[in-house]
Amino acid sequence: NAGVTQTPKFQVLKTGQSMTLQCAQDMNHNSMYWYRQDPGMGLRLIYYSASEGTTDKGEVPNGYNVSRLNKREFSLRLESAAPSQTSVYFCASSEEQGRSYGYTFGSGTRLTVV
Amino acid sequence: AQSVAQPEDQVKVAEGNPLTVKCTYSVSGNPYLFWYVQYPNRGLQFLLKYITGDNLVKGSYGFEAEFNKSQTSFHLKKPSALVSDSALYFCAVRDYRNTPLVFGKGTRLSVIA
Repeated sequence: NAGVTQTPKFQVLKTGQSMTLQCAQDMNHNSMYWYRQDPGMGLRLIYYSASEGTTDKGEVPNGYNVSRLNKREFSLRLESAAPSQTSVYFCASSEEQGRSYGYTFGSGTRLTVV
Repeated sequence: AQSVAQPEDQVKVAEGNPLTVKCTYSVSGNPYLFWYVQYPNRGLQFLLKYITGDNLVKGSYGFEAEFNKSQTSFHLKKPSALVSDSALYFCAVRDYRNTPLVFGKGTRLSVIA
């Protein structure tokens, strides 16, 4: 099925460990995004990539890095995980970084940092 | 900067009754407004959007939303609620500058049989 695929679905990390969350879309979308969802906070933008080869910071980029590997793939890396990064992470894509286009979301990665 | 407010953390309605989930926004210029729904342990799914044109927008699963420019609101509505509508609903907005969507904190809708 066409869509946005995130891996892994669940992960437990110890404080200080690193990991990369993977995201791939097969809809030939240009723009990709990483959000985190926390109770009572809604979705907050971490980083986004308007097109292949570009990345920009969102509202909460500290402690994260991203790589737009190619048009399909956009990864999120935690270099040294902290308990404050316990969250559900969603990747999304859209046809264009344009006004009228909505997003297609992945099913999320639930990350716990202990 | 654009922002979205969903003033109710939770809304409860009886099955068969009409439902409203409220959203107000703040943007520079004309807004581009969206509603998404999230079922448990799932990603967000697109419901409907307002870009321009009619103030009443129809979307998926019988939902509709009314854009009110003077009140800067975009409330989600459904004439007759179903138990299966129980989920978390997010309003989102972007402005004319093609910036990423900004989401509200979400409203949990519970439809009681």
